[in-house]
Amino acid sequence: EDQVTQSPEALRLQEGESSSLNCSYTVSGLRGLFWYRQDPGKGPEFLFTLYSAGEEKEKERLKATLTKKESFLHITAPKPEDSATYLCAVQAGAGGTSYGKLTFGQGTILTVHP
Amino acid sequence: DSGVTQTPKHLITATGQRVTLRCSPRSGDLSVYWYQQSLDQGLQFLIQYYNGEERAKGNILERFSAQQFPDLHSELNLSSLELGDSALYFCASSPSRGRWTGELFFGEGSRLTVL
Repeated sequence: EDQVTQSPEALRLQEGESSSLNCSYTVSGLRGLFWYRQDPGKGPEFLFTLYSAGEEKEKERLKATLTKKESFLHITAPKPEDSATYLCAVQAGAGGTSYGKLTFGQGTILTVHP
Repeated sequence: DSGVTQTPKHLITATGQRVTLRCSPRSGDLSVYWYQQSLDQGLQFLIQYYNGEERAKGNILERFSAQQFPDLHSELNLSSLELGDSALYFCASSPSRGRWTGELFFGEGSRLTVL
């Protein structure tokens, strides 16, 4: 069974204090690893897709990296508006798997104080 | 605004009742996905439809069913409701052309409270 574990559960940072979120996964045949951001009362919003170990993606203050066992979401010089829950998800590559059948982690609640 | 519309936003009902949640995907998207989000289980895949046909099933209870209509909107029917069914139910859609990127466009969800 596919499993995704995110740590820490919650992270409090001061504005400008860089840090990283971790996503460890166990999946048979990784087709893709995805990062989403979720604001309170809203649906998740797509951030990145990583397909293979060694791949990196960047967007503003966020950078996602992938190894064979885990992914990191690095946040550089965060701002209060980066406060949200960050969700990691995987898609397995088993035959017949739906492209949209994602297995999500429990998320990391990030709070950035001014 | 993701372009995915869900109604109702909030719903309060009693145990044993039946409710229907509605979703309109983004214009042009043929795939619709339903996810359930609860505090203890997180975000869990329920079911996917593609152009009216069921494409994949997750851990969806037998008391739950869904369908996608010719105009591509979808409905999730929840029956014989139990307290544990209280959750946020999200609908998402995805582009039907081009390489799969893992980008799902989520609606704002329907919050179901079962009393």
